[in-house]
Amino acid sequence: DAGVIQSPRHEVTEMGQEVTLRCKPISGHDYLFWYRQTMMRGLELLIYFNNNVPIDDSGMPEDRFSAKMPNASFSTLKIQPSEPRDSAVYFCASKSEGSGELFFGEGSRLTVL
Amino acid sequence: AQSVAQPEDQVNVAEGNPLTVKCTYSVSGNPYLFWYVQYPNRGLQFLLKYITGDNLVKGSYGFEAEFNKSQTSFHLKKPSALVSDSALYFCAVRASRSGGYNKLIFGAGTRLAVHP
Repeated sequence: DAGVIQSPRHEVTEMGQEVTLRCKPISGHDYLFWYRQTMMRGLELLIYFNNNVPIDDSGMPEDRFSAKMPNASFSTLKIQPSEPRDSAVYFCASKSEGSGELFFGEGSRLTVL
Repeated sequence: AQSVAQPEDQVNVAEGNPLTVKCTYSVSGNPYLFWYVQYPNRGLQFLLKYITGDNLVKGSYGFEAEFNKSQTSFHLKKPSALVSDSALYFCAVRASRSGGYNKLIFGAGTRLAVHP
């Protein structure tokens, strides 16, 4: 298996622009997680899905952030409008039911100027 | 509330010496504990986990971790460090059922630097 696939790996954009990050989980995994990593705040869970349904979005910073999972093999995290404080590495991870082990993608490094 | 603490921002060790990266946790019920490693510009990789059973858990790359219930600790260890072990290490605990049973709560991370 190719593992969790994220795109883009790097994104540089200007404040106010819309940003869409994409994730393809490992086939057969029931859970998908979006994390954000910054030097100041460490690794934060933003939202997670089970069988394509959002279960817990309490970590989503504000209404500018939204996430969708239209099918079992694809999820997006959208920021609109983006702000410089959104600059971070965004990770997608997936796991199967009953397993505690998360499989992480390589991350999407976002820079908002 | 569930939480994980990694008291050291950085651990420095000479190659060939034993290493310990500390982790303490707070969770209601039985803890499910994990260690992950992150190399530069990469995602996190699973190292090992404790669910139940033997308090000494062996994982990838020669790492092991010791679960201590009375001290609520889950320290990561390796008998002989390699320069290639230099990375960022995260301890994590699975939240209790009320906290979102499938969430992992991560510590702040400890940077391990192994010097030749």
